[in-house]
Formats: sequence, C-alpha cells, structure tokens
Amino acid sequence: AAGVIQSPRHLIKEKRETATLKCYPIPRHDTVYWYQQGPGQDPQFLISFYEKMQSDKGSIPDRFSAQQFSDYHSELNMSSLELGDSALYFCASSSKTRTGELFFGEGSRLTVL
Amino acid sequence: GNSVTQMEGPVTLSEEAFLTINCTYTATGYPSLFWYVQYPGEGLQLLLKATKADDKGSNKGFEATYRKETTSFHLEKGSVQVSDSAVYFCALIRNDYKLSFGAGTTVTVRA
Repeated sequence: AAGVIQSPRHLIKEKRETATLKCYPIPRHDTVYWYQQGPGQDPQFLISFYEKMQSDKGSIPDRFSAQQFSDYHSELNMSSLELGDSALYFCASSSKTRTGELFFGEGSRLTVL
Repeated sequence: GNSVTQMEGPVTLSEEAFLTINCTYTATGYPSLFWYVQYPGEGLQLLLKATKADDKGSNKGFEATYRKETTSFHLEKGSVQVSDSAVYFCALIRNDYKLSFGAGTTVTVRA
C-alpha cells in the first residue's frame, strides 16, 4: 500500500540558508500535518492543512512557511536556518480529521551547520 | 489542556522478558489514546489505539487498555524480542484535534 512519501530524506544546509521539504500524502487523505522532532525529543506539531487550507498552527517559527497544493502534496519552507533547526521533520496524513490516526512518512533529517 | 505523561527510559531488557511502559493522561472528556513506535532510523508508526474507556488495543503482541479510573493506558508485551527495540510514544488527541505525544521511552532488548 502507498505510504506517505517525504523528500529529501537527508538535507545539509548552512546557517542562514533556505530549505524546502516535500510531502506526498497517502492518496485520498485530506489532511497533512508537519511535525518537528529534535534529538531525543518527542515530535512537536508545526502546522496542518485540510483540503489545501491551513487548518491549524502549532509551534512553527515565523521563518517557516508551508502550503498544500492542488495535488495535495505539501511543502515546508524554512528560511534563515539556525543551528537549532536541525531535526527530523515528519509529515503525516490522515483521511478523517479528528481521529488522531495519522500515517507518518519516514521523515526528512535536516542538519544545519 | 489534554496531555500524556509516560515512563522515562531508557529501558533495557533481555529477550522474552515482560515489558511495561506506563502512560497516564490528563484530559477533559475521554480522548482517543494511542501508542506510536519509532524503530531506529524510521518514522513513527501507529502501534495500537483505543477510542473509549475499557477498550483494549492490541498489535504485534503489544496490548494497552484504556482505563478511565486510573487515567492510564499502559503498554505491555509478555515476551519481547530484539526486534522490539525502538522508541515508544504514548499519545492522545487534544481538544483542538492535534496529537499530543509523550516524551518517548527508549526500549533496548538484548539477545
């Protein structure tokens, strides 16, 4: 069965650079979530989209932005990168909002040097 | 607000040992409860869930029962294997419909 696809899997950037992460949800899933997981930390919710509209916002820095496109894939754009942005970024999708049964991608590991 | 607190790790066990990871929740109402697992180098996977009081979720030999009297959702497995080595996260869905994760418990099973 198709799963959530994230790219790139690994990304290395310098401070103050920009990075873009992509997420392709499971077909027919209508909600996409972005989570950030720092080293040894639990995942922290960043932002979510329902039917291509932003549905919720968590602890996402102002330097970050995200959107969901007409084909339901989503992109997380991160600018002015800081060392503390080094983390594993997970995308998840679900077919029914409010159930909590999220299907996660394998994550994109961002390292900021 | 709704949140979960889970047992701190790391936990190290021998194969075939019994595993328990404690998780308690604070919530208004009765939110759905989940256990997610993260194997080394991989993303989060839903392990099991329970949507109402007294429900028992089970998968891959793991079980957890939603107990409202003790506000708990402890994860148990009777006989662990090396392949169960992972980080386990307890989670619930909050009033704003986002998942709230516990801090995670690292489990290492030695052969």
